[in-house]
Amino acid sequence: NAGVMQNPRHLVRRRGQEARLRCSPMKGHSHVYWYRQLPEEGLKFMVYLQKENIIDESGMPKERFSAEFPKEGPSILRIQQVVRGDSAAYFCASSKEAGGSYEQYFGPGTRLTVT
Amino acid sequence: AQTVTQSQPEMSVQEAETVTLSCTYDTSESDYYLFWYKQPPSRQMILVIRQEAYKQQNATENRFSVNFQKAAKSFSLKISDSQLGDAAMYFCAFTIQGAQKLVFGQGTRLTINP
Repeated sequence: NAGVMQNPRHLVRRRGQEARLRCSPMKGHSHVYWYRQLPEEGLKFMVYLQKENIIDESGMPKERFSAEFPKEGPSILRIQQVVRGDSAAYFCASSKEAGGSYEQYFGPGTRLTVT
Repeated sequence: AQTVTQSQPEMSVQEAETVTLSCTYDTSESDYYLFWYKQPPSRQMILVIRQEAYKQQNATENRFSVNFQKAAKSFSLKISDSQLGDAAMYFCAFTIQGAQKLVFGQGTRLTINP
């Protein structure tokens, strides 16, 4: 059973470009979470999605960031007009159901570097 | 708002010894879950152990055990018989029942000395 897949593993973008990060949840999981980890810090929640719905985006910056989880295909975290402060590791996690009793399984992360 | 605090940025221990990592949290909720995650140099987040707040018994997974003090809002991780492969960042995390997001602490970097 394949785990959570994220690609690319490393992404370099120049300031002003767009970054697209992809996440394929574990088979049978319909709940996806995105977290951001700045250097030497813990992970910070960004957004929680179910298929075709954003459930909680309380951790998402108001501008330039968006997320989707279409009916078919991976979840996408999109960052428009990237700035140096967006450089971080972005982790996706998935769970079978929502709620603390269900483990969130993490992907390997995408390390975004903005030059 | 829920917060998680790890007061030890770095810890080190001799191989085969025991080490305890500290974590405190703040919440007004009574029904919640606590976790310890390990992040080795590969950066993969690995769940080490989980504790349900309604359970008085401390969780144990092989060499890993927790000391859960609900009244003190404390959730420490004890690693027994430390091994070189235990070297990693350890993150304490928390979620309330009915919520989905995990709230993480700042992490503790654990070094194992051979």
